[in-house]
Amino acid sequence: DAGITQSPRYKITETGRQVTLMCHQTWSHSYMFWYRQDLGHGLRLIYYSAAADITDKGEVPDGYVVSRSKTENFPLTLESATRSQTSVYFCASSLQGYSEQFFGPGTRLTVL
Amino acid sequence: AQSVAQPEDQVKVAEGNPLTVKCTYSVSGNPYLFWYVQYPNRGLQFLLKYITGDNLVKGSYGFEAEFNKSQTSFHLKKPSALVSDSALYFCAVRAANQAGTALIFGKGTTLSVSS
Repeated sequence: DAGITQSPRYKITETGRQVTLMCHQTWSHSYMFWYRQDLGHGLRLIYYSAAADITDKGEVPDGYVVSRSKTENFPLTLESATRSQTSVYFCASSLQGYSEQFFGPGTRLTVL
Repeated sequence: AQSVAQPEDQVKVAEGNPLTVKCTYSVSGNPYLFWYVQYPNRGLQFLLKYITGDNLVKGSYGFEAEFNKSQTSFHLKKPSALVSDSALYFCAVRAANQAGTALIFGKGTTLSVSS
């Protein structure tokens, strides 16, 4: 009964490198979300997906790419990491768009 | 545009006393409202939600929240605080008539319960 998992939990990378954060859910939820959490900003939505092959931008999408080829997976890629992308990243899923979201444990990313 | 405000960065209460964490919102039309809690180095955990119906919503761990449409508020309450309630609390909102959109979160309120 894994629920929603994220990997890696911690990542250190260098400016300019490509990084992919993984998210996997076992509930077959339709909706999946990526947020970043920064002090003073709370949670800000990066991208979300209503179903496989359907994605849409959130509040802060620049510098990020997502894909959703399977319902259970929603990877987030930083194409060329920047220091401003140092943050804690949370993946979430929900049964419907208006349902409560269930969050993964987060990935702490540091870009040097 | 949708927005959520949590006017207090921090709330401090003594164990056994009642607690209130404030939230006000702005949406077009009817709101869907949520409260989440985050413990250190953990993801957010769902506490309760208001979709429709009774204005007083009961949730996990003895928490409840009151929806007040005229004041556009959804304050989180607990009659008797525990030290273990110390955490970061987030209010979130979504407009009921906007299918496919995600939640907007407040910036969070840190609750500190002293023994």
